[in-house]
Amino acid sequence: GAVVSQHPSRVICKSGTSVKIECRSLDFQATTMFWYRQFPKKSLMLMATSNEGSKATYEQGVEKDKFLINHASLTLSTLTVTSAHPEDSSFYICSARALMEQFFGPGTRLTVL
Amino acid sequence: AQTVTQSQPEMSVQEAETVTLSCTYDTSESDYYLFWYKQPPSRQMILVIRQEAYKQQNATENRFSVNFQKAAKSFSLKISDSQLGDAAMYFCAYRSLRGGATNKLIFGTGTLLAVQP
Repeated sequence: GAVVSQHPSRVICKSGTSVKIECRSLDFQATTMFWYRQFPKKSLMLMATSNEGSKATYEQGVEKDKFLINHASLTLSTLTVTSAHPEDSSFYICSARALMEQFFGPGTRLTVL
Repeated sequence: AQTVTQSQPEMSVQEAETVTLSCTYDTSESDYYLFWYKQPPSRQMILVIRQEAYKQQNATENRFSVNFQKAAKSFSLKISDSQLGDAAMYFCAYRSLRGGATNKLIFGTGTLLAVQP
């Protein structure tokens, strides 16, 4: 299957700093990418849907000014957690869609101290 | 709005045995996709199997098969000859065909499967 990469795989930062997570579709072009957040032993919670060249669509309750999403090209989307706080610590997963299939990145573990 | 329900938070199976994971969903649509995803301890989401609602035949992928009952809105996953590597969290998911490429996956709460040697 197609490959989606995420970078970094884990990041530890101080409270108040911003963190950028990259999501790339390595061998296909994805018109739509999705960002999820997952708490331990819980399901994936969709944060936002992004389309190349347009603004992301955020799910209800997700602060768009805190979680900035940029979908600059058909193979790259970024999630920036601005002014991160300990409650933002979580596992973030991106996903890219190609036709019927949706492929997931390996996730990024964010720890905010 | 569509919903997906997985009523078994945890399941256990002996190696080489068969286990069935349950999933029900609610929708008013007639055309949609259903999926089972596996999330092992590495947390990488892996597609196990996909079913198109318009197909009456149940999807099969090697040791994995589904029992798709459209009228009952049920979509169970059967794992035959269970292996230690099957131990993972399994998520059932629904996706509408409306809205094109942006329509989102709706996940169930997951079933944690343990495989006993």
